[in-house]
Amino acid sequence: GAVVSQHPSWVICKSGTSVKIECRSLDFQATTMFWYRQFPKQSLMLMATSNEGSKATYEQGVEKDKFLINHASLTLSTLTVTSAHPEDSSFYICSASLTSGRYNEQFFGPGTRLTVL
Amino acid sequence: QQPVQSPQAVILREGEDAVINCSSSKALYSVHWYRQKHGEAPVFLMILLKGGEQKGHDKISASFNEKKQQSSLYLTASQLSYSGTYFCGTVESSGNTPLVFGKGTRLSVIA
Repeated sequence: GAVVSQHPSWVICKSGTSVKIECRSLDFQATTMFWYRQFPKQSLMLMATSNEGSKATYEQGVEKDKFLINHASLTLSTLTVTSAHPEDSSFYICSASLTSGRYNEQFFGPGTRLTVL
Repeated sequence: QQPVQSPQAVILREGEDAVINCSSSKALYSVHWYRQKHGEAPVFLMILLKGGEQKGHDKISASFNEKKQQSSLYLTASQLSYSGTYFCGTVESSGNTPLVFGKGTRLSVIA
């Protein structure tokens, strides 16, 4: 099956610093990737849709200047949390979309746990 | 629009069966089922498309009622490894649209 990696798997940072999370599709090309955030014991909430070569589309309530998304190639999307604060602490998961016939299957990365002190 | 899952939680003994339901107020193109264990990413279980096409693991079965916009995941002869939180994700149209996840159903299988 298709494999998606994320790096780092976890990160601890001080309040006010920026953190970059990478999402890579290892064995397929993904024109579209999605970024989700999951707080403890809650569901995955879509943050933004990342399209290769164009600006990301953000969900309502997600600050695009705070969560910078860059999809520079068909295998890599990055999420940068700028000026992170403790309330940004969460589990960030990316997925990459692969078209198979009539549907698009989403393959999830292993997630990145961000802790902001 | 977030789909509604039921039940919120269920406890099973090994070997018992369970059904998890997912319903939407919107017309759906596809329903995707995932299982997530604590601290890990969701793992794909099943996809059901409008029109009857399905893809999934051999030991998992599910149904999709297109008229009612409801899907059910059937877990039979449960094993300890089935424990986790089950999410349904819905897609309203074809194309590269994201999944909208339900709140999840927490399943615990005990010996």
